[in-house]
Amino acid sequence: EVQLLESGGGLVQPGGSLRLSCAASGFTFSSYAMSWVRQAPGKGLEWVSVVSGSGGSTYYADSVKGRFTISRDNSKNTLYLQMNSLRAEDTAVYYCAKESRWDLPTRWSDYWGQGTLVTVSS
Amino acid sequence: QSVLTQPPSASGTPGQRVTISCSGSSSNIGSNTVSWYQQLPGTAPKLLIYSNNQRPSGVPDRFSGSKSGTSASLAISGLQSEDEADYYCAAWDDSLNGVVFGGGTKLTVL
Repeated sequence: EVQLLESGGGLVQPGGSLRLSCAASGFTFSSYAMSWVRQAPGKGLEWVSVVSGSGGSTYYADSVKGRFTISRDNSKNTLYLQMNSLRAEDTAVYYCAKESRWDLPTRWSDYWGQGTLVTVSS
Repeated sequence: QSVLTQPPSASGTPGQRVTISCSGSSSNIGSNTVSWYQQLPGTAPKLLIYSNNQRPSGVPDRFSGSKSGTSASLAISGLQSEDEADYYCAAWDDSLNGVVFGGGTKLTVL
């Protein structure tokens, strides 16, 4: 059974940093690209970033480019999102998602975690 | 403002058939496959349709997807109360080099 468990969310001040983690199990982690998708309170889904199965290719939404870094540790079956220079508009539930294939561009996300809430506020 | 355009709301009575549209452009729907996600209240999104019209195992055949040109649609037949949820379309965008989502459609079962 595929399981994705996000952690690392919380309250952070504007300009601060936070690192999210997503522990994966139930599939061969290194064989699939992985994504982060966020959802602001009461709003729709917004794609954030994706990384290929090897970690060698990454893409970012313009809204986070230069501030967020996606990475993965295939030896630990874990996906990360390093978030720097956080803004109030980054407040959202962050979901990690397993992609349907190893390489990019991605096609669809077939499994999603339950999400972790990030609140940026002073 | 989302890159993919969906109606904000849709509704139907039990047993009816409803459709939700998703409009894009040549750089996303026009050149890549479309997926649909269902998000029940208070839960994470779930893959409903992939590759335009394919259903993952476990998804009832009441749900179907189609794509034509730069538009796609999700149809739900035999509407049930448990179908009340938010529905999102998505596709890769070759110009933006990222995934684009529709704004979501809130389906109400009357």
